[in-house]
Amino acid sequence: AQSVTQPDIHITVSEGASLELRCNYSYGATPYLFWYVQSPGQGLQLLLKYFSGDTLVQGIKGFEAEFKRSQSSFNLRKPSVHWSDAAEYFCAVGASGNTGKLIFGQGTTLQVKP
Amino acid sequence: GAVVSQHPSWVICKSGTSVKIECRSLDFQATTMFWYRQFPKQSLMLMATSNEGSKATYEQGVEKDKFLINHASLTLSTLTVTSAHPEDSSFYICSARSHANSNQPQHFGDGTRLSIL
Repeated sequence: AQSVTQPDIHITVSEGASLELRCNYSYGATPYLFWYVQSPGQGLQLLLKYFSGDTLVQGIKGFEAEFKRSQSSFNLRKPSVHWSDAAEYFCAVGASGNTGKLIFGQGTTLQVKP
Repeated sequence: GAVVSQHPSWVICKSGTSVKIECRSLDFQATTMFWYRQFPKQSLMLMATSNEGSKATYEQGVEKDKFLINHASLTLSTLTVTSAHPEDSSFYICSARSHANSNQPQHFGDGTRLSIL
């Protein structure tokens, strides 16, 4: 069965430090992968997506993610975190079949220390 | 581009009343819309998938008579929580997708916080 795992429930980093949020997926074929960010009390904003091609994907707000098939991972990175990056981050994989459904991970809460 | 508007953002009502939530795609035509429910500190739980002009497909365990979904046009889907009770209090989020291809991302509304007294 398809699944997405975000091993880290909560991460705290200092402002200016680098960030890596982990995401592992279980999927039989080439996955469609997404990272979304959710600020408190709001909906989700798409940060970036991977469909095919270059395995290093650039997104908005200075984020990037790298697809590693051998590790079934799609980790999100940012070289220097800003206080405004504090939020909930969700990794998702497109479900099989042409339904358009997304399977979400449990989310990682990012806290940024001044 | 790809803006999804959800209304209302916050609603409080008495137990037993029905509440309608609207989800609109403002700058694209949404062939498919999705309705999610999110509990505090948890991930999104898909409730149903709505395709324009057809009946919604509900996920297992979601009462279709309780959560009525209508997708009458390519830019509007509505979720009506009928005879709402305190256990229906939650954060409801819609999303919309412009094409049938599975590789198209979903674009999310800002959510509706529903509180039933």
